[in-house]
Amino acid sequence: KNEVEQSPQNLTAQEGEFITINCSYSVGISALHWLQQHPGGGIVSLFMLSSGKKKHGRLIATINIQEKHSSLHITASHPRDSAVYICAVRSSGGGADGLTFGKGTHLIIQP
Amino acid sequence: DAGVIQSPRHEVTEMGQEVTLRCKPISGHDYLFWYRQTMMRGLELLIYFNNNVPIDDSGMPEDRFSAKMPNASFSTLKIQPSEPRDSAVYFCASSQGQTQYFGPGTRLLVL
Repeated sequence: KNEVEQSPQNLTAQEGEFITINCSYSVGISALHWLQQHPGGGIVSLFMLSSGKKKHGRLIATINIQEKHSSLHITASHPRDSAVYICAVRSSGGGADGLTFGKGTHLIIQP
Repeated sequence: DAGVIQSPRHEVTEMGQEVTLRCKPISGHDYLFWYRQTMMRGLELLIYFNNNVPIDDSGMPEDRFSAKMPNASFSTLKIQPSEPRDSAVYFCASSQGQTQYFGPGTRLLVL
């Protein structure tokens, strides 16, 4: 079973700061997802990565397959970015298998 | 599309009662997933279906849990009998390919 570790568990920053959230996993994967869970509980898929880097607005996600590591970056952070960010992996083997999740990073951006 | 629809949004019941959670996936999606989220364990995959067929139910905690998908537009997760430790948020997600779309969740409290 894949072990997914996220760091930090909690992060408080000031508006405008550059944010980095890290995710590492133990077994080869076919895809890695970054999810955002809002304070109300809803979950939104931000990125799906299998290699390289993706960018969407102020969000950037990178993955290093050899090192089994991914990072989620937020540039010019804003209080509305406050949420729990969850890393999830789909282990190698094909098919749209269910995901294994990290415990999440609680991010608070203060004005 | 309305997205993934779950009902009820909140459920409070007494230990020993039967609980049925419902999910309507996004039309055209051929994968459906049931997840559970608790403070202690985070998000966990319970079971997933492909074309209405259960593929992996290894995450279902006990025989008290059962899931069905009688057709492409409807799935149920049943707990019978319910126990206080089943209290959690239950998410349904659907996909057609890699990205999973999550429903709003059902918050279950078993007293």
